[in-house]
Amino acid sequence: EAGVVQSPRYKIIEKKQPVAFWCNPISGHNTLYWYRQNLGQGPELLIRYENEEAVDDSQLPKDRFSAERLKGVDSTLKIQPAELGDSAVYLCASRGTGRAYNEQFFGPGTRLTVL
Amino acid sequence: GQQLNQSPQSMFIQEGEDVSMNCTSSSIFNTWLWYKQDPGEGPVLLIALYKAGELTSNGRLTAQFGITRKDSFLNISASIPSDVGIYFCAGQKTSYDKVIFGPGTSLSVIP
Repeated sequence: EAGVVQSPRYKIIEKKQPVAFWCNPISGHNTLYWYRQNLGQGPELLIRYENEEAVDDSQLPKDRFSAERLKGVDSTLKIQPAELGDSAVYLCASRGTGRAYNEQFFGPGTRLTVL
Repeated sequence: GQQLNQSPQSMFIQEGEDVSMNCTSSSIFNTWLWYKQDPGEGPVLLIALYKAGELTSNGRLTAQFGITRKDSFLNISASIPSDVGIYFCAGQKTSYDKVIFGPGTSLSVIP
């Protein structure tokens, strides 16, 4: 079974540029999470989707960040415009229906560097 | 912001040694979790603890849920080179709550 797939793995952009990250969860997993992991820190939740519905986006900086999961499968996280402080690893995770909330499977992440 | 603290922040040990690390919180959690993250990968769940005082093992790893519900401990016995990585504790206020991660303990094993 394929794991959570994320692309790109690395992205370097200049500040004020837009950037997008893509995630394909494990097949059949209805719950999808986006996390941000700053250097030397643990992951912090940005948004959680149940199918195509965003059910917890309280930590998403909505002035510049947006996310979508139109068909309830893969998802895109966008930053526009990017700021220096957005440099981090952006992790996607998914969880199967009925599974415990902590049974999340993480992807390898996208490492973003904003210059 | 982060509500969990982990110590030590980093450790260098000799292969074969035992390792202990801990995690504390200013508030109560009803679920404690321990993850390992290898370089360039996402975290992987190692152990989940659901009851105060609970002691759970996974191979050479043993974790305990503190009786105050504000701390947890992870021990690794007879360390090997593949134990290298960052170990995160995490907590949940309830089973249906988001997972809150600590800042991590970086482990290096010297062959």
